[in-house]
Amino acid sequence: ELKVEQNPLFLSMQEGKNYTIYCNYSTTSDRLYWYRQDPGKSLESLFVLLSNGAVKQEGRLMASLDTKARLSTLHITAAVHDLSATYFCAVDLEGAQKLVFGQGTRLTINP
Amino acid sequence: DVKVTQSSRYLVKRTGEKVFLECVQDMDHENMFWYRQDPGLGLRLIYFSYDVKMKEKGDIPEGYSVSREKKERFSLILESASTNQTSMYLCASSLAPRAKNIQYFGAGTRLSVL
Repeated sequence: ELKVEQNPLFLSMQEGKNYTIYCNYSTTSDRLYWYRQDPGKSLESLFVLLSNGAVKQEGRLMASLDTKARLSTLHITAAVHDLSATYFCAVDLEGAQKLVFGQGTRLTINP
Repeated sequence: DVKVTQSSRYLVKRTGEKVFLECVQDMDHENMFWYRQDPGLGLRLIYFSYDVKMKEKGDIPEGYSVSREKKERFSLILESASTNQTSMYLCASSLAPRAKNIQYFGAGTRLSVL
């Protein structure tokens, strides 16, 4: 059974600081997804990582994938308040159409 | 633009009622999904469908059923609602075959069962 675990689950940080959210998964997979959810809103796709060593960046967010370690990271650089949201990672099994989601990391960025 | 529409944002129902949650997508996607989202548990898959009239159980199907009579519409049914089914319900769709397998989500339905 595929399990996906994120840490931390809650993160409060100051504007301008850097931090990393971790996503570990239990079964071999080379496809990992990051989503963002704003309060009261639905999930929006942020990044799709499709191979070992994949790195994607948009603005102050950068995601990477290490399939050997079964680990993805979402790095936040010089955080700003607008990045406050809940971030989910999700993994799919080869041959499966469905995703398994992590618990989510609620990120709060304070001025 | 991609669109997944859930018929209700908020619903309040009584224990024992039959509840229908409707989801429509306009992207001609083959796959559709129903999740429930609870604090600290992330999203858990209830059912999914990869074609009209086809369905597969997800991780927590007990107490739920689904219907997919048309490609664009996927319904979640609570046959006899219970208080432990109070939750946020999210519908999603994706293109098949896998491609990038990005799922597109609706705005969610917050269901309260009293």
